[in-house]
Amino acid sequence: GAVVSQHPSWVICKSGTSVKIECRSLDFQATTMFWYRQFPKQSLMLMATSNEGSKATYEQGVEKDKFLINHASLTLSTLTVTSAHPEDSSFYICSQDRGNTEAFFGQGTRLTVV
Amino acid sequence: AQSVTQPDIHITVSEGASLELRCNYSYGATPYLFWYVQSPGQGLQLLLKYFSGDTLVQGIKGFEAEFKRSQSSFNLRKPSVHWSDAAEYFCAARSTGTASKLTFGTGTRLQVTL
Repeated sequence: GAVVSQHPSWVICKSGTSVKIECRSLDFQATTMFWYRQFPKQSLMLMATSNEGSKATYEQGVEKDKFLINHASLTLSTLTVTSAHPEDSSFYICSQDRGNTEAFFGQGTRLTVV
Repeated sequence: AQSVTQPDIHITVSEGASLELRCNYSYGATPYLFWYVQSPGQGLQLLLKYFSGDTLVQGIKGFEAEFKRSQSSFNLRKPSVHWSDAAEYFCAARSTGTASKLTFGTGTRLQVTL
C-alpha cells in the first residue's frame, strides 16, 4: 500500500489565489521530504528539500516566496503555491526517503491555474 | 556534474516482444541506481534498485536490469511486454552518501501495440 499520501490529486484555481498541497507519510517519521515539479512529457525537477522543524532548502532558480514549504511535523509537509499564475500549472510530486537510499513518491498533484 | 541519460525518448514495441530501455549515468563513483515507472497522472512506482552485489537485479512486474560498470549503464529489460506496461519509465541515481539527491533521466515513453 501507499506509504506517502499526497492531497489533493488535482486542483483548479484562479489566477492570483494560493493553493496548498499536502504530503503525508503514512507509516514513517520523515525528517526530510522532497518536492518535485514535472512539466508535461518531461522529467522530474527537484524544487526543494523539506526539513522537519527548519527551513526548506530550495534548488537554484526556485522562488522561495512563491513556493512556500512547511514541514511542521514528522508526518506532514506542505507546499503552498502563492499567488498562482497559469505558468505555475504543473504536476507536483513529493517523496520521502527510507534509509537514505530508496525514495517513495506520492501520487502527485495536478495543478491548473486559470 | 552528476547526470543520468536515457537516450530513447519514445519506444514502441508489440505486445509479447522483448524490451530494453537504456540508461547511462555519469557519477564520480558508482551510485545507487533505480528504475521507476509512471502511469499518466500518477506518482512514481519503484520497479527495481541496485545498491551493490549481483549485477543482475530482479524487480516487480517481470522487469530486470543489469548493471555494467564498464559501460556506466543500468538498462531495464523485460522478456515479454504486456499492453499494461505502456507508461513512462525513469532511470534515476543518487550518490551513496547520506542525504544525497535523486537525479532523474529524462524518461522513456513506452508504447505497446497489440
